[in-house]
Amino acid sequence: GDSVTQMEGPVTLSEEAFLTINCTYTATGYPSLFWYVQYPGEGLQLLLKATKADDKGSNKGFEATYRKETTSFHLEKGSVQVSDSAVYFCALSSSQGGSEKLVFGKGMKLTVNP
Amino acid sequence: GAGVSQSPSNKVTEKGKDVELRCDPISGHTALYWYRQRLGQGLEFLIYFQGNSAPDKSGLPSDRFSAERTGESVSTLTIQRTQQEDSAVYLCASSLPGFQNEQFFGPGTRLTVL
Repeated sequence: GDSVTQMEGPVTLSEEAFLTINCTYTATGYPSLFWYVQYPGEGLQLLLKATKADDKGSNKGFEATYRKETTSFHLEKGSVQVSDSAVYFCALSSSQGGSEKLVFGKGMKLTVNP
Repeated sequence: GAGVSQSPSNKVTEKGKDVELRCDPISGHTALYWYRQRLGQGLEFLIYFQGNSAPDKSGLPSDRFSAERTGESVSTLTIQRTQQEDSAVYLCASSLPGFQNEQFFGPGTRLTVL
């Protein structure tokens, strides 16, 4: 079945460091790809998404590009801030089998120190 | 506008008791999902509703778990004869139909089975 593999961490960075969180997927068909974020004490929320190959999703300085040839959707940010400390989840969604469920990676906890 | 709400926010129960968890989706969202997040794990899909029908129940872990949805609105997840391994945060999400669409998550119900 469909699956998502992502870096699990935890990872600690200094403010203004470069961030990459790797995410690869296995899916039948043509899934949509998502990054969700869970800030401390808050619910899960969408960070960005891409719905077809070569699409780039971006939000709050974060970017990820849908790479069909490498089945990847790596998350990057050029300069992280303390406020980016959170747990990041990579996910995919497809219409296979009549379901529209999200399949999540295990999540990666990021801590950014000043 | 109002987001997805869930109740109760916390539930502590004794092994063997039944529990009911409630989800109120965003008005107009015909798709509704239940997920489970066990400590240190990613989110596991449980069940997907489109309207009041559940075309995908593949994630329900055993026949002790059931869910229903009425009026294309509120949904209830019932766990019978709870076990300690049922302890987790149960998350509900809703969306407009279509696997490319963002799922909006509620704050979750933290279930602890003693």
